[in-house]
Amino acid sequence: GAVVSQHPSWVICKSGTSVKIECRSLDFQATTMFWYRQFPKQSLMLMATSNEGSKATYEQGVEKDKFLINHASLTLSTLTVTSAHPEDSSFYICSAPRPQMNTEAFFGQGTRLTVV
Amino acid sequence: AQKITQTQPGMFVQEKEAVTLDCTYDTSDQSYGLFWYKQPSSGEMIFLIYQGSYDEQNATEGRYSLNFQKARKSANLVISASQLGDSAMYFCAMREGRYSSASKIIFGSGTRLSIRP
Repeated sequence: GAVVSQHPSWVICKSGTSVKIECRSLDFQATTMFWYRQFPKQSLMLMATSNEGSKATYEQGVEKDKFLINHASLTLSTLTVTSAHPEDSSFYICSAPRPQMNTEAFFGQGTRLTVV
Repeated sequence: AQKITQTQPGMFVQEKEAVTLDCTYDTSDQSYGLFWYKQPSSGEMIFLIYQGSYDEQNATEGRYSLNFQKARKSANLVISASQLGDSAMYFCAMREGRYSSASKIIFGSGTRLSIRP
């Protein structure tokens, strides 16, 4: 069964509104989670590293104020796309490594965001 | 900086044949892990196989095996006896720091594999 749950699986929002995506680790605690973005027919690009109890670490070129990350607990990280625009339409997917299991990284089901 | 290169944007293979998906990587770290993931049209990332940089033997998982050539920095995925359900995108990925599950994973550009009946 799934060990990382991501919600919602798809969302359509109006331009200018904000959208929150949740990533939950099931049956294990994740002090670190990763957020990726994938445009059609492209690879997964790491956006940021979410750290429980501290600020997220963003990759170069990713706007911190636009993509707000909150790691509220050891099992939940959220990504909020603020003031969304059509160019933010993409597939967002989170990953949560299970501690002491470095031979695998678990991914959520992904969220397909469409901004109209 | 670490980098993953997949030079095959797309491949067509006849059902039941074996297929090799190429992956080369670049890293200055001596300790790292290599992954292969399958991504069907649904978008989910399905873990296939892992190879640690210090593992002496090539990893195998069922019909999947990883041809690890450390000196050449290559980690090709071999799928034996391909099936129609193998049609998907395949990503090679790397994480620096063998024992650090909290290290970020970066991905190659992917290979779209299509299996012909």
